[in-house]
Amino acid sequence: DTGVSQNPRHKITKRGQNVTFRCDPISEHNRLYWYRQTLGQGPEFLTYFQNEAQLEKSRLLSDRFSAERPKGSFSTLEIQRTEQGDSAMYLCASRPTSGIGADTQYFGPGTRLTVL
Amino acid sequence: RKEVEQDPGPFNVPEGATVAFNCTYSNSASQSFFWYRQDCRKEPKLLMSVYSSGNEDGRFTAQLNRASQYISLLIRDSKLSDSATYLCVVNKPGGSYIPTFGRGTSLIVHP
Repeated sequence: DTGVSQNPRHKITKRGQNVTFRCDPISEHNRLYWYRQTLGQGPEFLTYFQNEAQLEKSRLLSDRFSAERPKGSFSTLEIQRTEQGDSAMYLCASRPTSGIGADTQYFGPGTRLTVL
Repeated sequence: RKEVEQDPGPFNVPEGATVAFNCTYSNSASQSFFWYRQDCRKEPKLLMSVYSSGNEDGRFTAQLNRASQYISLLIRDSKLSDSATYLCVVNKPGGSYIPTFGRGTSLIVHP
């Protein structure tokens, strides 16, 4: 399978714990996005990488959230001191820089986070 | 006003019906527009891009109205398998391709 993969698919944690999610984009895609989606809403943009550079962050991304893409391949999203309001689906998407499909985002299956 | 607004629905239609959704956007400088489809508990997938000249793909037609700042999606001859949430996506101007998603419009096609 050469699509976007995300791990874990589900995460249940207690309030106050730290969690980390991983995203492996399509290999030739150098642009990577993280989103958060809650029930009945569309995905909300969190942050965006081009290669290893984090080029944009949403104001939704509080200081408890951090994302990295150290080698320009996979990315991690960490949430520190989780709160119940962090419960959501966290989606990753990748996109090529140019060529056919350059404006298409390819989404992974998401990581569903439940904070108890 | 939200950046991208959609009627959440649900739109309940019989098989074979024609149904249309609209989506309005607030930033007149927005450059690119898309419709994504999201099945229940699945990830969004691109349905079609929306070009200034419109775009048609089989039973699906997308239109852009820059003057009124809305895009539309028309589905003809609805199938049961068309039941899903349709997300309107507008990219912020400036070339960074940071998308803003609408909340989605739910379509239920019944026999």
